[in-house]
Amino acid sequence: DTGVSQDPRHKITKRGQNVTFRCDPISEHNRLYWYRQTLGQGPEFLTYFQNEAQLEKSRLLSDRFSAERPKGSFSTLEIQRTEQGDSAMYLCASGSSDRHYEQYFGPGTRLTVT
Amino acid sequence: AQSVTQPDIHITVSEGASLELRCNYSYGATPYLFWYVQSPGQGLQLLLKYFSGDTLVQGIKGFEAEFKRSQSSFNLRKPSVHWSDAAEYFCAVGGRSGGYNKLIFGAGTRLAVHP
Repeated sequence: DTGVSQDPRHKITKRGQNVTFRCDPISEHNRLYWYRQTLGQGPEFLTYFQNEAQLEKSRLLSDRFSAERPKGSFSTLEIQRTEQGDSAMYLCASGSSDRHYEQYFGPGTRLTVT
Repeated sequence: AQSVTQPDIHITVSEGASLELRCNYSYGATPYLFWYVQSPGQGLQLLLKYFSGDTLVQGIKGFEAEFKRSQSSFNLRKPSVHWSDAAEYFCAVGGRSGGYNKLIFGAGTRLAVHP
């Protein structure tokens, strides 16, 4: 068990650019979650996958955001036409369907939009 | 609507002192409850969880929490704080009925430890 990993750890981009983040979950976990955390706040749920199926998306996930988990393993989160309000920590977590609600978090990707 | 309130934004304690971090939740059914800790620049680490059964749950690093249904609370405690406990602590609730398995977090309590 090597834990959840995320890449990159930091990303600085200019407004209007597209960015993509990657999350590698714990290998035996079939559930994967994306959260966003802004300064001084707790994480807010963005979206959830069970295997390769995206089962829920938050209203926070505007049309500029898209997430995929093509083979039920790693996941990507893409933000198109970034805005300054997208600056945040993007956290990935994974879990197992037989361990209700237990989620194990990665170190996060900190996005700064200038 | 489900929500979590952590009334204390910042708490400062002396090393060796006892600690209690407050958490109140709002949820219609019996909740799943969690405490996570986040050190600077790090992801969240699960300290402990409550699903059912004994309302006093033990976690890692000497932490414990007590579920009190009548007060809708799940306060985190530690009898003797160490300097390495300085971090931000998040309480979270997960719904058991309806919806999927997202967690709803409080805004966090930042703990400072004086030597």
